[in-house]
Amino acid sequence: DVKVTQSSRYLVKRTGEKVFLECVQDMDHENMFWYRQDPGLGLRLIYFSYDVKMKEKGDIPEGYSVSREKKERFSLILESASTNQTSMYLCASSSPTGSGLRRPQHFGDGTRLSIL
Amino acid sequence: KQEVTQIPAALSVPEGENLVLNCSFTDSAIYNLQWFRQDPGKGLTSLLLIQSSQREQTSGRLNASLDKSSGRSTLYIAASQPGDSATYLCAVNQAGTALIFGKGTTLSVSS
Repeated sequence: DVKVTQSSRYLVKRTGEKVFLECVQDMDHENMFWYRQDPGLGLRLIYFSYDVKMKEKGDIPEGYSVSREKKERFSLILESASTNQTSMYLCASSSPTGSGLRRPQHFGDGTRLSIL
Repeated sequence: KQEVTQIPAALSVPEGENLVLNCSFTDSAIYNLQWFRQDPGKGLTSLLLIQSSQREQTSGRLNASLDKSSGRSTLYIAASQPGDSATYLCAVNQAGTALIFGKGTTLSVSS
C-alpha cells in the first residue's frame, strides 16, 4: 500500500514565524501535491510538483512556497505565518500517467496547523 | 472553470438503508473521477476511481457510476452501517494532475 506521511498531526506556531510542513511518500511517485482544507471552502490546491525541483502554483499559492529536493519529499513553507493560514493541510502523491490513464491520488493524514 | 457540487451537504439515515450520494461537475472534459472518505480530523481515504471511459466501479458495498456527458456521478452505498458515518468527497481530475474537489456530503448512519 502507498504510504504518505506528514511529519506532524498538530502544530501550533506564532504569527511571523517561518513554518515548514513535511511530506514523504514511499512509492516513488513523480507527482506530489499540497492542499488546504477549510470549513465551507473544501479542499484547495496550494502547489504541486511533477518532478524533483519542479513546482507549479495551484489556486491559492500566496504566502506559501515549496521545496522538492528529493523525489520522495515535498515541503510546504509558510514564509511568514499569519492567522489566516490556520487550517488543515493535506499532502498527496500520485504516479505518473501511463497508457492514457490517470492514477489515483493518495493522501496523508493531514497536519492541523494553528497560527496564534 | 471546473466546479464540482455535491448534494446533499448532509444526510442522516438509519442502519440498513441503501443510499445514494450525488456529485455533479460543470466541464465534462475530465480524465477520471475519484470518491474519497474522510473521518473527522483525518486525511482522505480513496474509495473508488472511475476513468473517463468507464461507466461504473464497484468495491464491496460501494458502487460508483459516471455519466460524463451529463456531468454526474453517484456513489451508492448498500446496507449502510454506523461505521459508514463520515464525509464523502468526490473529485475530478481534469488536467491529468491536481484534483478539483466538491465540498462533500457528511453522512450519519444511526444504529
